[in-house]
Amino acid sequence: EADIYQTPRYLVIGTGKKITLECSQTMGHDKMYWYQQDPGMELHLIHYSYGVNSTEKGDLSSESTVSRIRTEHFPLTLESARPSHTSQYLCASSTTWDTQYFGPGTRLTVL
Amino acid sequence: DQQVKQNSPSLSVQEGRISILNCDYTNSMFDYFLWYKKYPAEGPTFLISISSIKDKNEDGRFTVFLNKSAKHLSLHIVPSQPGDSAVYFCAASGKGGGTSYGKLTFGQGTILTVHP
Repeated sequence: EADIYQTPRYLVIGTGKKITLECSQTMGHDKMYWYQQDPGMELHLIHYSYGVNSTEKGDLSSESTVSRIRTEHFPLTLESARPSHTSQYLCASSTTWDTQYFGPGTRLTVL
Repeated sequence: DQQVKQNSPSLSVQEGRISILNCDYTNSMFDYFLWYKKYPAEGPTFLISISSIKDKNEDGRFTVFLNKSAKHLSLHIVPSQPGDSAVYFCAASGKGGGTSYGKLTFGQGTILTVHP
């Protein structure tokens, strides 16, 4: 079982604020992912990384950005939050091309 | 275009009975399938997977069946327990190349409720 952490677990902020969602894993996984999920809907991949200094946009367009400077760390940043960004953000990591292990998620509410 | 579909939003089962969750896919490049379980306010937890070279994989109370010709997979839980109540997501990935390579595509999830 992978150890993968996300902070904060819950975040309520006002429109226009800059936020960074943290994701760290201690298993040395080279692949990391960010998903967005709304209630009752599927998980949508918004960013992924196959290693340090490698980042790609996922299938769902997102105004967020990511960085991968260290293997264990994959933060997601929103420069100017809007109510449309309200959602749950899930981080995952893997060593293989199939099974991904998820963190607990960050529930973001933008007022 | 939703490539992985779980057409039943919810399922209610009595404790001790079998739970059957279904999933259909459309992308023929998918060759690996997974089931995840998710409790409220938590991230999905990996449950069981199956490669396209198999048609069945079993792990304790959980069995996944794959019908490649019908592009259909199902998860059987026997016997069902109240602790199994959660949202179940199926997911698919493609190792064979194409846009699905190395990425998981998820269904919408099915809420399973197991009554005591």
